[in-house]
Amino acid sequence: NAGVTQTPKFQVLKTGQSMTLQCAQDMNHEYMSWYRQDPGMGLRLIHYSVGAGITDQGEVPNGYNVSRSTTEDFPLRLLSAAPSQTSVYFCASSYFGTGDSPYNSPLHFGNGTRLTVT
Amino acid sequence: EDQVTQSPEALRLQEGESSSLNCSYTVSGLRGLFWYRQDPGKGPEFLFTLYSAGEEKEKERLKATLTKKESFLHITAPKPEDSATYLCAVHFWGGSQGNLIFGKGTKLSVKP
Repeated sequence: NAGVTQTPKFQVLKTGQSMTLQCAQDMNHEYMSWYRQDPGMGLRLIHYSVGAGITDQGEVPNGYNVSRSTTEDFPLRLLSAAPSQTSVYFCASSYFGTGDSPYNSPLHFGNGTRLTVT
Repeated sequence: EDQVTQSPEALRLQEGESSSLNCSYTVSGLRGLFWYRQDPGKGPEFLFTLYSAGEEKEKERLKATLTKKESFLHITAPKPEDSATYLCAVHFWGGSQGNLIFGKGTKLSVKP
């Protein structure tokens, strides 16, 4: 069982370049999300989705776009990379079901993408 | 302001030396508290969920407890393989679907 798969594992970009971080899960989870992890800070929510066709902003959405065309995939797009976006990015998913919150169940995380913007 | 604070930031133990990690929170209505383990270069891995004060969960050398203001992760007779960063996350009432805040983590090193 693959769980949550993120690609690439490492990426170096120049300022102004664009790229897409890929995330796929095979657990049929309705909820998917993107976090960034920076030294000395807790995981911060960038964008999330509660199902195909539904996305919303988290705590730090500026400079990032998302879409959710299928249950399995939730790509994160950087339109014009900036050095402040240097970070480790984690995709996470959880079972939502008929509950009122995606956080009733624990999150399942991928192994991250380490991004450096020069 | 809703906050989650973990202490200490880092903890060095000798193998077999028991200790505790702390996660204190100030949120508007706790719905659940999660503990995760994160190894270097990996994503967080779920350990426990606690829902109400007085609840305890155990897994091998780890035991998590919860009060109204904080949670402890007790590590009994740790081994070097317990070395990792331990994260807590608090689920609380807010918005239409609840909110989740992560602490900054405690980096545990266990020396043989």
